Amino acid sequence: EIVLTQSPATLSLSPGERATLSCRASHSVSSYLAWYQQKPGQAPRLLIYDASNRATGIPARFSGSGSGTDFTLTISSLEPEDFAVYYCQQRSIWPPLTFGGGTKVEIK
Amino acid sequence: EVQLVQSGAEVKKPGESLKISCKCSGYSCTTDWIGWVRQMPGKGLEWMAGIYLGDSDTRYSPSFQGQVTISADKSITTAYLQWSSLKASDTAMYYCAKCSGSNCYFEYWGQGTLVTVSS
Repeated sequence: EIVLTQSPATLSLSPGERATLSCRASHSVSSYLAWYQQKPGQAPRLLIYDASNRATGIPARFSGSGSGTDFTLTISSLEPEDFAVYYCQQRSIWPPLTFGGGTKVEIK
Repeated sequence: EVQLVQSGAEVKKPGESLKISCKCSGYSCTTDWIGWVRQMPGKGLEWMAGIYLGDSDTRYSPSFQGQVTISADKSITTAYLQWSSLKASDTAMYYCAKCSGSNCYFEYWGQGTLVTVSS
C-alpha cells in the first residue's frame, strides 16, 4: 500500500499570501496524484489531477507540481474561500486508492 | 452532467445491519468505477472499496475487506455499501464518488450519508 504523508498538518496564513502544501509518497506514483479541497460540511472537490492538471472550473491560482514521490500544491494568492482542508490522493497502484492525512489551511 | 445522490442519514444500534445507496445519473455511470470513501468525525478520507457498474467487478481496501460489502444494480445505476453487523466505530460520513474514465480520481461526489451507530 502506498502511504501519502502531507505536511504541514496546519498552515496559518493571511489572505493574499502564498500557500505551499507538500505530499510525499512512500513509493513512486509517477505523476498519478490528485489534490482535493474540502470545506466543512461539504464533499471534497477535485482541484488537480495527474500532478499538475487543473480540473474543470478550478481557478488558475491553484497549481500542482512534482513527480515520483514528492508533490506540491501551490495557491498563489489566498482568497477567503480557499481556507479549507486539502488532501492528496494517488491512483498509481490500487487497490487501495490512498489519501494523505490532509493539510488544514487556516486564517492567521 | 453527472450526479451522485446518496440515501439519507441513518441511526443504528450496534449489531444491526445496514445498506446505503448511491444513485448515479448522467454519462458514463456504467463505464467508470464508483467508490465509497469513509470520513470519521474530524478525520481524513479513507477509500474503502470500488465497483465497476458495467460488470460488478469489485476492489476492496485491505483495511475494509471482510468488514463491508459493495454491490450494485446496473439496471438502475446504483451502488450500495452494506454492513452485516455495525459497530460504534462505524460511525462516520460515507461518500460515494465516481472515477473519471481509467483515471481513478474522483471528479464527482455524492452529498454523503451520515451513519451513526449508538446504543
